[in-house]
Amino acid sequence: GENVEQHPSTLSVQEGDSAVIKCTYSDSASNYFPWYKQELGKRPQLIIDIRSNVGEKKDQRIAVTLNKTAKHFSLHITETQPEDSAVYFCAASSRQGEYGNKLVFGAGTILRVKS
Amino acid sequence: NAGVTQTPKFQVLKTGQSMTLQCAQDMNHEYMSWYRQDPGMGLRLIHYSVGAGITDQGEVPNGYNVSRSTTEDFPLRLLSAAPSQTSVYFCASSASGSGNQPQHFGDGTRLSIL
Repeated sequence: GENVEQHPSTLSVQEGDSAVIKCTYSDSASNYFPWYKQELGKRPQLIIDIRSNVGEKKDQRIAVTLNKTAKHFSLHITETQPEDSAVYFCAASSRQGEYGNKLVFGAGTILRVKS
Repeated sequence: NAGVTQTPKFQVLKTGQSMTLQCAQDMNHEYMSWYRQDPGMGLRLIHYSVGAGITDQGEVPNGYNVSRSTTEDFPLRLLSAAPSQTSVYFCASSASGSGNQPQHFGDGTRLSIL
């Protein structure tokens, strides 16, 4: 089955700097890659996603890049702000089950933005 | 729209007890799923459903049971609670029957097994 590895596990940056989180996946059939942000004690919330037919996607300060050949994708946050501090999860979706896709998550990255 | 609603928010059980975690969504989503979240391990899929009457296993299905009799509801049953099932449980739903669309999460149920 699919396996997703996420690095780093913790990341501290100065306010205004950029942050990059990287994930690798094992199943070449995976075709959907969402990123979730989770604040302490809250639900995970989708911040951006990308499909396998696209190499890059951007939404204001957030961007995601996908390299299908190398089977890795990355989250880029520019001009970080204290409110970006949270746990970020990557995930990969592939058709593993009998009926539909399964979403496999990375272990998460704790991002701390220091002001 | 309430979105995805989970009940209860907190629960303490004794080893061997059974219980059902409730999940309901009002978005007419076909795909629903249950995850458990443990420290340092991200979210792991327990079971999922692509529509009423259709369920399948995820990564960690042992000790859990599900059914999907309606589009709106997807309850998760713990058959005989064990301390290893202490976790935060999240229910999620997605518009696509394949699950290849953004998933909307509930607020979670924090479960402790003594």
